[in-house]
Amino acid sequence: QSALTQPASVSGSPGQSITISCTGTSSNVGNYKLVSWYQQHPGKAPKVMIYEDTKRPSGVSNRYSGSKSGNTASLTITGLQAEDEADYFCCSYGGRNTFYVFGTGTKVTVV
Amino acid sequence: QVQLVQSGSELKKPGASVQVSCKASGYTFTSFPINWVRQAPGQGLEWMGWINTNTGNPTYAQGFTGRFVFTLDTSVSTAYLQISSLKTEDTAVYYCARDPSSWNDYWGQGTLVTVSS
Repeated sequence: QSALTQPASVSGSPGQSITISCTGTSSNVGNYKLVSWYQQHPGKAPKVMIYEDTKRPSGVSNRYSGSKSGNTASLTITGLQAEDEADYFCCSYGGRNTFYVFGTGTKVTVV
Repeated sequence: QVQLVQSGSELKKPGASVQVSCKASGYTFTSFPINWVRQAPGQGLEWMGWINTNTGNPTYAQGFTGRFVFTLDTSVSTAYLQISSLKTEDTAVYYCARDPSSWNDYWGQGTLVTVSS
């Protein structure tokens, strides 16, 4: 199954809000409430920021939020901070035959 | 606290085999599946498959059948990834991750496998 589509890069100034999109199909993103988002700093393991489309794990800042419309999920970061500069990947469950598919990844730059 | 600790970096020649371990602690190992994820240099994340830590039954993603094998040793709460007949394109960081319910909440630190002659 093809990777979910994300913009290669998104940038914003400190304090601003940015949104990263993640486009799939009716077989994955649009069919299950099972999109998760991961933040990855260089040389580090990914860290979950959002799961089940909109839920935030304990300890993750409330500046991070998830949403979904049709086959496109989104991650919004409000009050952008320097520490938010990282790569972000979405991931969706795609059914018993495919299980999981990751997004292409988005590099967030705080300018 | 929950931790997944992976084995160290490996340098292998083409055609060799490698085993990556993922030792879990801080929770009941057999309560959660383990996913394996590959990240080639400068590339994105790729789901390789998962192993049911209760039954030991593995499931492989397309492109990861044949040379890739997931196993367990529940007596030491450890999952293993074995890759045989290594190719240069297998050079990547390999991660294990715990799956509470269709997402990954805890990740290992990653194991770099370099395949070079």
